Amino acid sequence: DAKTTQPNSMESNEEEPVHLPCNHSTISGTDYIHWYRQLPSQGPEYVIHGLTSNVNNRMASLAIAEDRKSSTLILHRATLRDAAVYYCILPNAGNMLTFGGGTRLMVKP
Amino acid sequence: GAVVSQHPSRVICKSGTSVKIECRSLDFQATTMFWYRQFPKQSLMLMATSNEGSKATYEQGVEKDKFLINHASLTLSTLTVTSAHPEDSSFYICSARDRAGRTDTQYFGPGTRLTVL
Repeated sequence: DAKTTQPNSMESNEEEPVHLPCNHSTISGTDYIHWYRQLPSQGPEYVIHGLTSNVNNRMASLAIAEDRKSSTLILHRATLRDAAVYYCILPNAGNMLTFGGGTRLMVKP
Repeated sequence: GAVVSQHPSRVICKSGTSVKIECRSLDFQATTMFWYRQFPKQSLMLMATSNEGSKATYEQGVEKDKFLINHASLTLSTLTVTSAHPEDSSFYICSARDRAGRTDTQYFGPGTRLTVL
């Protein structure tokens, strides 16, 4: 499986944008990039996914590098409710998700 | 959006008893469901892949006779922890893939916290 690397933790101020990076240098041409997040004591929640082009939805934006070896999840205005662990995942051929350590996002009021 | 429920949300049981956890896709059909467990301060670990109408595929190190999985319908999968012991105490989470979906997005349940005394 293609592996991803994320910082262990990041801090943000409320109402400010947050850029969460992810490196996936061994990504193959058909691998989608998925982002999930897990709030405390809850199951993970789908955030966004993409293949090559940048993607936007109501939760976030996903910026994918031209060589696809890295991507950035963008929260345009962080709120306290966005405090969570964010996982960048490349599902394998069987759609199995391998969760790494993720990035713990802390949002300061 | 797609909703996955789990029941119960929390269970406390005595050592040696069996516990059944249900996972339901509420507004879509799921040919494939996944079971994970998560120990405190750790990431999710995939336990098994459950396909409707066939036997589950277990990850290495997960005992199939201890963690019984049944996926009898397109909207329901169950995980039974048999003869539970304190080391089985964990947060169990299921996910489901939308059969009609064009992508490989998985939708997760809220999790079941199991405490074995």
